[in-house]
Amino acid sequence: GAVVSQHPSWVICKSGTSVKIECRSLDFQATTMFWYRQFPKQSLMLMATSNEGSKATYEQGVEKDKFLINHASLTLSTLTVTSAHPEDSSFYICSARATETNEKLFFGSGTQLSVL
Amino acid sequence: SQQGEEDPQALSIQEGENATMNCSYKTSINNLQWYRQNSGRGLVHLILIRSNEREKHSGRLRVTLDTSKKSSSLLITASRAADTASYFCATDGHTGGFKTIFGAGTRLFVKA
Repeated sequence: GAVVSQHPSWVICKSGTSVKIECRSLDFQATTMFWYRQFPKQSLMLMATSNEGSKATYEQGVEKDKFLINHASLTLSTLTVTSAHPEDSSFYICSARATETNEKLFFGSGTQLSVL
Repeated sequence: SQQGEEDPQALSIQEGENATMNCSYKTSINNLQWYRQNSGRGLVHLILIRSNEREKHSGRLRVTLDTSKKSSSLLITASRAADTASYFCATDGHTGGFKTIFGAGTRLFVKA
C-alpha cells in the first residue's frame, strides 16, 4: 500500500521560533496532501489542503501566515508553524490519496509539537 | 466544522465481545470511511462504504450505512486486546471540495 512518511515525530521548541514539518509520499505521487491538527482525545481538524505547484487552500479560521504550507514537488509537502506559541502545541498529521480518484487516505505517523 | 458525531465517546469491553460504534453526519455524502488510530500515531484506513451501499464486510469488521438517517455503524466482532484504539468515521461530501472530514471518534478499550 501507499506509504506516507512524516518528520519529525516530535519536536520541542521555544516560543517565537519556527518549526517545519515534512510530509513525503514514498511510493506514489500526491498532487494533493492534507494537513490536520489533533488535540488530545479529540478528532482531526482539517487545517488546509496542500496543492502541488499552487497555493494551499486553508479552512476557515486557520491563519495562512501562521501555518505556511509549501507543496513544491509531487512527493513533498511541508508545514511551517511560524513564531510558534504554546497554544500551537498539538499533534499535526498529514495525509494523501494515492490517486486523484481514490478516496482512501494514507496518513503520516504524525508530529507532536510542544512549544515551551 | 466537524461533519460527524460518534457515539459512544468511549467503550470498554472484554476480549471476545463485539464492539459497536455509531456515527452520524449532517450533509449528503459520496462515501463514508472508518479509520483506526493507535495512541499518538497516524490513522489507518479500515473500510469504505459508498452512498449507494447499505452494508459491507471486511474480516471481523461490518459497516452499515443508512443515508436516510445519515448514520453509520461499525461492528467489530470477537474483539481482541489489539483492537484497543480510537475509531473515527470520515465523510467525503458533495460540497466543500474533495476533502475528508472526521467525526469525533470512539475510544475503544478491550480488556484481556
